[in-house]
Amino acid sequence: GENVEQHPSTLSVQEGDSAVIKCTYSDSASNYFPWYKQELGKRPQLIIDIRSNVGEKKDQRIAVTLNKTAKHFSLHITETQPEDSAVYFCAASSYGGSQGNLIFGKGTKLSVKP
Amino acid sequence: NAGVTQTPKFQVLKTGQSMTLQCAQDMNHNSMYWYRQDPGMGLRLIYYSASEGTTDKGEVPNGYNVSRLNKREFSLRLESAAPSQTSVYFCASSPSRLVRLGEQYFGPGTRLTVT
Repeated sequence: GENVEQHPSTLSVQEGDSAVIKCTYSDSASNYFPWYKQELGKRPQLIIDIRSNVGEKKDQRIAVTLNKTAKHFSLHITETQPEDSAVYFCAASSYGGSQGNLIFGKGTKLSVKP
Repeated sequence: NAGVTQTPKFQVLKTGQSMTLQCAQDMNHNSMYWYRQDPGMGLRLIYYSASEGTTDKGEVPNGYNVSRLNKREFSLRLESAAPSQTSVYFCASSPSRLVRLGEQYFGPGTRLTVT
């Protein structure tokens, strides 16, 4: 089955710097890779996703890149702000069961210091 | 729209007790999911339902049962709670039957402690 590794587990940056979080996956059949943000005590919310037919996707200050050959994908946040502080989870689609599901990484706690 | 709602928000059980966590969505979504979240472990899928009347096991189904009562509601039952089931439980829903086609919308979570 699918396995998703996420690094680093914690990341601290100064406000205005960039942050990069990396994930690797094991199943070459995976073709959907979402990123979720979870603020303390809140529910996870989708911030960006990418499908295997594209290599990069941007939405304002966040971008995701995908390298299918190497089986890794990354989240890039530019011009970080204190409100970006949260736990970020990557996920990859898996095809166990009748319809498949998402396998999540263990999360990266991002702290943005003002 | 309330989105995805869960009850209760908090629960404390003694080992061996049973309980049902309730989840409902008002977005007319096809798929619904139950996850557990433990510190340092991310989100792990317990069970999911791609459509009314169907359910499938996820990564960690042991000790749990589910019921897709109708399109709106998906409940999770612990028949005999164990301390290892202490966790935060999230319900989620998605418009698509295929996970690769749609965003998952999460409920606010239920914090369960088993003593």
